[in-house]
Amino acid sequence: AQKITQTQPGMFVQEKEAVTLDCTYDTSDPSYGLFWYKQPSSGEMIFLIYQGSYDQQNATEGRYSLNFQKARKSANLVISASQLGDSAMYFCAMREPHFSGNTPLVFGKGTRLSVIA
Amino acid sequence: DGGITQSPKYLFRKEGQNVTLSCEQNLNHDAMYWYRQDPGQGLRLIYYSQIVNDFQKGDIAEGYSVSREKKESFPLTVTSAQKNPTAFYLCASSGLAGSDTQYFGPGTRLTVL
Repeated sequence: AQKITQTQPGMFVQEKEAVTLDCTYDTSDPSYGLFWYKQPSSGEMIFLIYQGSYDQQNATEGRYSLNFQKARKSANLVISASQLGDSAMYFCAMREPHFSGNTPLVFGKGTRLSVIA
Repeated sequence: DGGITQSPKYLFRKEGQNVTLSCEQNLNHDAMYWYRQDPGQGLRLIYYSQIVNDFQKGDIAEGYSVSREKKESFPLTVTSAQKNPTAFYLCASSGLAGSDTQYFGPGTRLTVL
């Protein structure tokens, strides 16, 4: 079963508008972390925002915020005031704890966001 | 500047040849990772290492090998046993805490001719 599901293969948004990218996850562990990355056409992965499962408040970083709904197991990324430079692939990822230490991230398949002038 | 470097940026290989992709980090991170990305797809884990001289297989380790002789370096060898190696390869590193962000290198695009 997929651990991270991103149901929107592609999204369009008008410049200066807000957009929400969906992410649902599957885990039975109470302790986990959720991450969002941006991948422009150059290929590099750029970290955007992190949400821990025990964090009481939704994470925010500048124009990025995370709409974290634990009971629904969703961690949607909200980008406010979209800019042309926001056009990219966006990946949601999850890390579960392990007794041996850190574990690698598990990624969704991504959403391609296109910002229209 | 602190970061992760990968070389080369583009790599062409003939069928039947082994090739090694370089990954170096100066972030003093304990953990390092290799991911593979196919067109239009997410990232899949090949290998990861949490400490020098130790590494674990990921979901798609067959046809790949790694070494971790130094904390800063985690090279990936794509062997001739890898049946479809053409892909984009990303190296990453992080600390060991669960909340530690994983940072990525710029990637190597491997094409088999």
